[in-house]
Amino acid sequence: EVQVLESGGNLVQPGGSLRLSCEASGFNFRNYAMTWVRQAAGRGLEWLSSLSGSGSSKFYADSVRGRFTISRDNSKNTVFLHMDGLRAEDTAIYYCAKGQNTAIYPGGFDNWGRGTLVAVS
Amino acid sequence: SFELTQPPSVSVSPGQTARITCLGDTLPKRYAFWYQQKSGQAPVLVIYDGSRRPSGIPGRFSGSSSGTTATLTITGAHVEDEADYYCASTDTPADRWVFGGGTRLTVL
Repeated sequence: EVQVLESGGNLVQPGGSLRLSCEASGFNFRNYAMTWVRQAAGRGLEWLSSLSGSGSSKFYADSVRGRFTISRDNSKNTVFLHMDGLRAEDTAIYYCAKGQNTAIYPGGFDNWGRGTLVAVS
Repeated sequence: SFELTQPPSVSVSPGQTARITCLGDTLPKRYAFWYQQKSGQAPVLVIYDGSRRPSGIPGRFSGSSSGTTATLTITGAHVEDEADYYCASTDTPADRWVFGGGTRLTVL
């Protein structure tokens, strides 16, 4: 069974840093792109960043480019999101999702974690 | 930047057909993907590559596209289909994803 499990969410002060982790199981991790998506309370989904299976291609939303960094450790089946310069508007549930392919497109996000809460205040 | 536009809400009675649209300039060149999110839960992929259904998704869910509009159709909606539905697609070149604003489907 495919599973992804986020961790690392916390309360942090504005300007602070946080690293989220997403541990995956049940599939050949290195063969699939991984993505981070967030959702503020009562709001819609916002794509943040995607990373190809090899880790060679990284993409970011304009809202987080230069502040957030995505990476992966294929030996540990884990993808990370390092967040610097956090702002109040970064407060949200952060989801990790498995891609359907090794590249970020074609293919959508076919397995999601339950999310981890980041609060900036 | 590009955007995907969805109606905020759609309402149907049980057994009726629900159609949720997604408008975007890149949709003639890029597939639309559809996600269902029930209250308090993580999103679930219900349609990929415009019209394909992942295993485990009921056959009443279907996707189609014409020009700049993609449509999610739920034929014979069930009460348990009540949820927020989001379309998503990529820009050209495919270096970022965008979600539509979401559509709240009410089945009652």
